[in-house]
Amino acid sequence: GAGVSQSPSNKVTEKGKDVELRCDPISGHTALYWYRQSLGQGLEFLIYFQGNSAPDKSGLPSDRFSAERTGGSVSTLTIQRTQQEDSAVYLCASRPGSGNTGELFFGEGSRLTVL
Amino acid sequence: GIQVEQSPPDLILQEGANSTLRCNFSDSVNNLQWFHQNPWGQLINLFYIPSGTKQNGRLSATTVATERYSLLYISSSQTTDSGVYFCAVEPNTNAGKSTFGDGTTLTVKP
Repeated sequence: GAGVSQSPSNKVTEKGKDVELRCDPISGHTALYWYRQSLGQGLEFLIYFQGNSAPDKSGLPSDRFSAERTGGSVSTLTIQRTQQEDSAVYLCASRPGSGNTGELFFGEGSRLTVL
Repeated sequence: GIQVEQSPPDLILQEGANSTLRCNFSDSVNNLQWFHQNPWGQLINLFYIPSGTKQNGRLSATTVATERYSLLYISSSQTTDSGVYFCAVEPNTNAGKSTFGDGTTLTVKP
């Protein structure tokens, strides 16, 4: 596609439920990132996929968070047993090339509200 | 990890004024980007500028990598420039993972 596509754009869920957020990166981009932005805050790194390498999961806040990337393209971020503090905008970004340089391009985000 | 400090945290301008936003970072970097987050939350790429100077219309940016800072210049500001400006850097020692500053919130009044 023309840009990074994320779905759903908005998700309201009840505390304790599981949610899945999807990211479709720009075609051909090998690197994919998930960030989280709480209200009025900056962006917090969650996880990074680069090609076929093992993902960098160092930013995941707890074991309730996991992510996978299938076929080197689409990624799904899963949050199990959601808590109110998980409420945030979850942003996905992709980057072209196999190296670690170049621009990041962000999607419009998935706004998660946990009641 | 690398520290990123943006200043000022808040800036209020009258339409037509010029401004300079600063990003200081604590380590050598191989990636640096400036973003504008508009009121709808979309992150818009402004500049990819790990070093040197670039210009795009009323905006320009300069990164002095050896002194570990970057500047974003906005000239003849417009109300549509309002929003949050973020600097994001990746250190040479941990390339691939961008760390964002806390942003500068710009309000341009008509």
